[in-house]
Amino acid sequence: DADVTQTPRNRITKTGKRIMLECSQTKGHDRMYWYRQDPGLGLQLIYYSFDVKDINKGEISDGYSVSRQAQAKFSLSLESAIPNQTALYFCATSDSGASTDTQYFGPGTRLTVL
Amino acid sequence: AQSVTQLGSHVSVSEGALVLLRCNYSSSVPPYLFWYVQYPNQGLQLLLKYTSAATLVKGINGFEAEFKKSETSFHLTKPSAHMSDAAEYFCAVSDTFTGNQFYFGTGTSLTVIP
Repeated sequence: DADVTQTPRNRITKTGKRIMLECSQTKGHDRMYWYRQDPGLGLQLIYYSFDVKDINKGEISDGYSVSRQAQAKFSLSLESAIPNQTALYFCATSDSGASTDTQYFGPGTRLTVL
Repeated sequence: AQSVTQLGSHVSVSEGALVLLRCNYSSSVPPYLFWYVQYPNQGLQLLLKYTSAATLVKGINGFEAEFKKSETSFHLTKPSAHMSDAAEYFCAVSDTFTGNQFYFGTGTSLTVIP
């Protein structure tokens, strides 16, 4: 089984709808991250969490919120989706948060906002 | 602030030819650098990382990268391209001040021509 899973894998929604993307991990890592990927822009950090009580904004947090329900679960919400939030979303985890730590990525969720 | 620049959003090589993907970084402190590969419809997978132990880093699938401080570069190479190397490649730098926050380049799409 995959260490980092994301649900759903694909989602089409309409402008103004609330949507939640979920991430679960079995790696036992404390740190979790949400990124979005747009063609030609690489990955941009939305939010990251050091542990269940510590959540931090990334480069592009506007229009997004997150919830760290447990060490293993980190959800990303779009309260009122808009078309320019159409993108590929990735969840990632890392162990201690040292600068040398590898981040491990989930398979991604492709979100389309009409 | 940390950043990386990947020169060439698209690179094409013939099967068996040398692969060279360029990455230059900007950092006020010694950086930690990573190369990730993304195959179609998959998440990112670590190829290799530089953590200051050795300037020439060997990774998976025959890839390697050399850290050159004087040139602020961390180019990815492979002596002989294989069809299975066709993918998107991302260079990333880790933020040493906030721990494990990554800054990604915009990616290079590698095409391998039979």
